[in-house]
Amino acid sequence: GAVVSQHPSRVICKSGTSVKIECRSLDFQATTMFWYRQFPKQSLMLMATSNEGSKATYEQGVEKDKFLINHASLTLSTLTVTSAHPEDSSFYICSARTPPGYYGYTFGSGTRLTVV
Amino acid sequence: GIQVEQSPPDLILQEGANSTLRCNFSDSVNNLQWFHQNPWGQLINLFYIPSGTKQNGRLSATTVATERYSLLYISSSQTTDSGVYFCAVSAGGTSYGKLTFGQGTILTVHP
Repeated sequence: GAVVSQHPSRVICKSGTSVKIECRSLDFQATTMFWYRQFPKQSLMLMATSNEGSKATYEQGVEKDKFLINHASLTLSTLTVTSAHPEDSSFYICSARTPPGYYGYTFGSGTRLTVV
Repeated sequence: GIQVEQSPPDLILQEGANSTLRCNFSDSVNNLQWFHQNPWGQLINLFYIPSGTKQNGRLSATTVATERYSLLYISSSQTTDSGVYFCAVSAGGTSYGKLTFGQGTILTVHP
């Protein structure tokens, strides 16, 4: 239980194109999801908090027009990297708070984005 | 915001050895988790332990909330234990739900 599914696991795109990453809570409802970014050999940094039915809140320094977040339902949040550039290449991973009966936060399997 | 420091940054062991990883945090927390990140990037939740002691097989963890640190113990290490171990915490208030990660400990277990 408390599984978060993230797709795609790996994507390569051309510079200037947009990429959408999906994060689904499979067996529970997640009114809030979190998006993290991890550069090679570094830790995870919170990018934004996705709230179902309302606007996402972004951490300081994260460009909201570059990283569009949509949380249209209680089980799905999407992150769209718009006009991607090589410096956007990174590992993106989503998270949700676990439902009652579980503890802490559960994470998706991550998406490795490479912009060429 | 809350600061999280992990030590050591790197750890190399022979199979069968024991180890202790440490996580210090700068403020009171309502959530503390230990994760193992495998080579494919997946974060495996090891423990949810904002306070107290827990054990799961060869792994155990202790958090002393009043002194703001947590320890992860790995006994009889195996090569499959290799990877990065992260401590992550969240506090209340405006930081509710936002996990702050430490820089991680890279563990390498040699056969």
